[in-house]
Amino acid sequence: EIVLTQSPATLSLSPGERATLSCRASQSVGDNLAWYQQKPGQAPRLLIYAASNRATGIPATFSGSGSGTDFTLTISSLEPEDFAVYYCQQRRNWPLTFGGGTKVEIK
Amino acid sequence: EVQLLESGGALVQPGESLRLSCAASGFTFSSYSMRWVRQAPGKGLEWVSAINGGGYETFYADSVKGRFTISRDNSKSTLYLQMHRLRAEDTAVYYCAKTMVAPYFYYMDVWGKGTTVSVSS
Repeated sequence: EIVLTQSPATLSLSPGERATLSCRASQSVGDNLAWYQQKPGQAPRLLIYAASNRATGIPATFSGSGSGTDFTLTISSLEPEDFAVYYCQQRRNWPLTFGGGTKVEIK
Repeated sequence: EVQLLESGGALVQPGESLRLSCAASGFTFSSYSMRWVRQAPGKGLEWVSAINGGGYETFYADSVKGRFTISRDNSKSTLYLQMHRLRAEDTAVYYCAKTMVAPYFYYMDVWGKGTTVSVSS
């Protein structure tokens, strides 16, 4: 099973600041990685797929990069609605696995 | 509009069974692989099961293998998760999710709102 480790667990930032979230895989997943956003009481929402492709309707402030074992989700300027929990997910091997999440909170 | 609506969640005792349903609308259901993902209270996301568009290929997480069965009725645009021998650790919100088209069909681009399963004596 591929283990995804996200860091930091919590990121405290102010609106307008840049957020950089990390996801590290226990073995190479190529570019087979997605990022999801989840707000309290809501279902997850797909942000990024195949490491760097924005999903439909996702603003350009969100970007993904990386390949192999190290991936980054960047939010260039935090809006109030961006404060949420973010998960990475790999599709390289079964079972599909998610990272433990990074909570982006208002400082 | 593409929509997924889960139902069937309940409070049950350990060892009991439950069947979840997910009604899909707004897309050609049979053309897409589907997934069940769960989230225990205060925890992260855990993939549970997957099924291809035709319903003949299925996958399960080790934690549910042999106890849960995923299926679909394409004539009704409905996904199912039959759960047997439920345990306290199965307590979670269960989401169904639609996947993207090939070659990205392991990514989940539409999610339902979830249905809650609680296993407790």
